[in-house]
Amino acid sequence: EPEVTQTPSHQVTQMGQEVILRCVPISNHLYFYWYRQILGQKVEFLVSFYNNEISEKSEIFDDQFSVERPDGSNFTLKIRSTKLEDSAMYFCASSESGRALSETQYFGPGTRLLVL
Amino acid sequence: QKEVEQNSGPLSVPEGAIASLNCTYSDRGSQSFFWYRQYSGKSPELIMSIYSNGDKEDGRFTAQLNKASQYVSLLIRDSQPSDSATYLCAVNTDAGKSTFGDGTTLTVKP
Repeated sequence: EPEVTQTPSHQVTQMGQEVILRCVPISNHLYFYWYRQILGQKVEFLVSFYNNEISEKSEIFDDQFSVERPDGSNFTLKIRSTKLEDSAMYFCASSESGRALSETQYFGPGTRLLVL
Repeated sequence: QKEVEQNSGPLSVPEGAIASLNCTYSDRGSQSFFWYRQYSGKSPELIMSIYSNGDKEDGRFTAQLNKASQYVSLLIRDSQPSDSATYLCAVNTDAGKSTFGDGTTLTVKP
């Protein structure tokens, strides 16, 4: 069964460093998402991406964040200058078209980011 | 008011009992509702989706939706210890964005 994959599974970085989290969405999916979950808190929407541009973003997704689809398979989240409060689990998700409200989003296993 | 609110846990039920999980949402424009199960340290796993008022059954799981009351619930029949997890309610108002509740932690005791 096709699945969303994410690398790395764990990332430890120093405050102020740049990190890139990588995702490979399900191959025929067109809509991609990033969510984050701070330990013990709820899953929060960061950004959605369609047709090589951001479709929607939350207040959390400020200028320190960016997303990119550098090739036909990868979808990346970059945090330019990490802060302690960026420590969280980051989930990538994808859906077939993203146009239907009813559409299921498939989540990857997550990358646990720890900023020291 | 939170956009998506779930009954505070933790919830503990004996094995074989029915577990009832509740969720309310604030945006009347919400059209799609999802229940996810999340084990500690893992990603959300979709259990049920529901879009129309009424009940939807899938095995031991039943989702119930009442749009007039802005309420969605999940019933788990014949609860098993393996059902012990955090259950997340998610609501789609805009295509491309799911809003999650805080989750309810369920423990099924053997």
